Amino acid sequence: QSALTQPASVSGSPGQSITISCTGTSSDVGGYKYVSWYQQHPGKAPKLMIYDVSNRPSGVSNRFSGSKSGNTASLTISGLQAEDEADYYCSSYTSGTFYVFGSGTKVTVL
Amino acid sequence: EVQLVQSGAEVKKPGESLKISCKGSGYSFSSYWIGWVRQMPGKGLEWMGFIYPVNSDTRYSPSFQGQVTISADKSVSTAYLQWSSLKASDTAMYYCARSSVSGGWDDWGQGTLVTVSS
Repeated sequence: QSALTQPASVSGSPGQSITISCTGTSSDVGGYKYVSWYQQHPGKAPKLMIYDVSNRPSGVSNRFSGSKSGNTASLTISGLQAEDEADYYCSSYTSGTFYVFGSGTKVTVL
Repeated sequence: EVQLVQSGAEVKKPGESLKISCKGSGYSFSSYWIGWVRQMPGKGLEWMGFIYPVNSDTRYSPSFQGQVTISADKSVSTAYLQWSSLKASDTAMYYCARSSVSGGWDDWGQGTLVTVSS
């Protein structure tokens, strides 16, 4: 099972919106609603930001939103802030191996 | 409060065995999947495998099948990840995570750094 495909890096200025894509297949992203997104700051454990494609856990800013179209899921961060600079990973349930991560995206706030 | 507390950092030699742990508290340990994640230095996250403590149903990602063993002891609310013969390439940070009732993994351990060097 190959990792889901994410762009290696995305950048934006404070206040802007950015979108990170996560492309899989009909056996993972396209076939199930179980897509989640994780934020990881250097030296820290990952943190759940979005689950079930578009749901935010309690305590996560509403500046983070998720969506899916076909085999591609997306995470949008609006009103970009310095604290959003981190690595972001998608994860999807897969018929093959239970769950798979994306390749990861480094978000830089310019 | 849900907590996953992992065992401390380890330094081992190639060929040695190792078992690291992840102790859950603040919830019904048996009722939620536990996943193990590898993060090699400077690299991304990789799911290694999963265990459902209530019946020890275990799934391995293909890259890790036969390379590690995942287990759990409900009596002490602890999941384990073990190696029988470590390699230098096993040097990494290892995280455990708890599944939520949805498809997300909403609680994470603090990580266990494993260093394998001669």
